[in-house]
Amino acid sequence: EVQLLESGGGLVQPGGSLRLSCAASGFTFTSFAMMWVRQAPGKGLEWVSVISAPGNSYHADSVKGRFTIFRDDSKNTVYLQMDSLRAGDTAVYYCAKVGFGDLDYWGQGTLVTVSP
Amino acid sequence: QSALTQPRSVSGSPGQSVTISCTGTSSDVGAYNYVSWYQQHPGKAPKLIIYDVTKRPSGVSDRFSGSKSGNTASLTISGLQAADEADYYCSSYVLTYTWLFGGGTKVTVL
Repeated sequence: EVQLLESGGGLVQPGGSLRLSCAASGFTFTSFAMMWVRQAPGKGLEWVSVISAPGNSYHADSVKGRFTIFRDDSKNTVYLQMDSLRAGDTAVYYCAKVGFGDLDYWGQGTLVTVSP
Repeated sequence: QSALTQPRSVSGSPGQSVTISCTGTSSDVGAYNYVSWYQQHPGKAPKLIIYDVTKRPSGVSDRFSGSKSGNTASLTISGLQAADEADYYCSSYVLTYTWLFGGGTKVTVL
């Protein structure tokens, strides 16, 4: 059974940093890309960052230069390092496994709140 | 790239069918057969219900079906049930690891 377990969310001040983790199990982690998707309160889904199986990373324009996605295949874990956080980054952050053009499994999400 | 366009809400009575549209452009929805749909109940994570425009993952009811015509994809829910009341999002993969999401549609069962 595929499981994705996010952690690391919390309250942070504007300009601060936070690192999210997503521990994966139930599939061959090294064979798949992984993605972070966020959802601001009462809003829709927004893809944030994705990392390919070989480790190439891509970020949405809204977070480029501030967020970094990376993976540790020895721990079956993908991370999202978030720096220079803004109020607009407040959201539930989901980790998702990339199928091919779809996201076939999602974690339960972790809430990030950016506030003074 | 702009988000895909979905209606804010649709509604139907139990047993009826509803269809949700997802409009993009010739550079995303119209260009590739990588449209997927996600169901999200309140407070829960999204769940994949349609991928590659028309395919259903194992375990997803055949009351959910997908289609595409030109730059618009559609999700149809047949035999509407109370459990179908949720938010639905479309997504299009635009190659080179870029995805677009729709704004979401709230389905209400009357």
